[in-house]
Amino acid sequence: QQQVKQSPQSLIVQKGGIPIINCAYENTAFDYFPWYQQFPGKGPALLIAIRPDVSEKKEGRFTISFNKSAKQFSLHIMDSQPGDSATYFCAASYSGNTGKLIFGQGTTLQVKP
Amino acid sequence: DAGITQSPRHKVTETGTPVTLRCHQTENHRYMYWYRQDPGHGLRLIHYSYGVKDTDKGEVSDGYSVSRSKTEDFLLTLESATSSQTSVYFCAISPTGVAGYTFGSGTRLTVV
Repeated sequence: QQQVKQSPQSLIVQKGGIPIINCAYENTAFDYFPWYQQFPGKGPALLIAIRPDVSEKKEGRFTISFNKSAKQFSLHIMDSQPGDSATYFCAASYSGNTGKLIFGQGTTLQVKP
Repeated sequence: DAGITQSPRHKVTETGTPVTLRCHQTENHRYMYWYRQDPGHGLRLIHYSYGVKDTDKGEVSDGYSVSRSKTEDFLLTLESATSSQTSVYFCAISPTGVAGYTFGSGTRLTVV
């Protein structure tokens, strides 16, 4: 019930492609859904986040799509670049949970030149 | 990462020995968290703190203890290290406990 399931585990795309990473959750009390980006040897960094009152949020080339009824959300990276090669984590939390984030398993993205 | 420092960055220790990892912040944030990162598991919460001397368990707390005697420092102790605790440990801070974690650069711990 507290799990967040992320897929795929790894993804390879060509430069300019649109990789899509999907996450699903069970706990309907979740009300905050961030995505984190992690480069090798570094800690994860907040990329973009969404709350369930909107179905889509864009920040630059990164877009979150949110489907509340299906309890799914996804990250799309437009015009992907080799510099986007990293591990991406989705996560979920709910108000009153003292900020505890539940993370997905992670997706390793490689963008080929 | 600016405002949060983890030490040591790397450590190799023997099975059965105690180990303490330190997280230090200069942001005066109330909330601090310890996560471990393992392939196929993402990041899993070990313990967290919502104030000085206020701590609670996370998802994978067995074998770990924490202490927070000052706002800026959050210590994670492995009482008797086991090989299953070989992992990368991340500390995170948050001002509100609702959103916007900032992670440290991690400590790679190997238990032999």
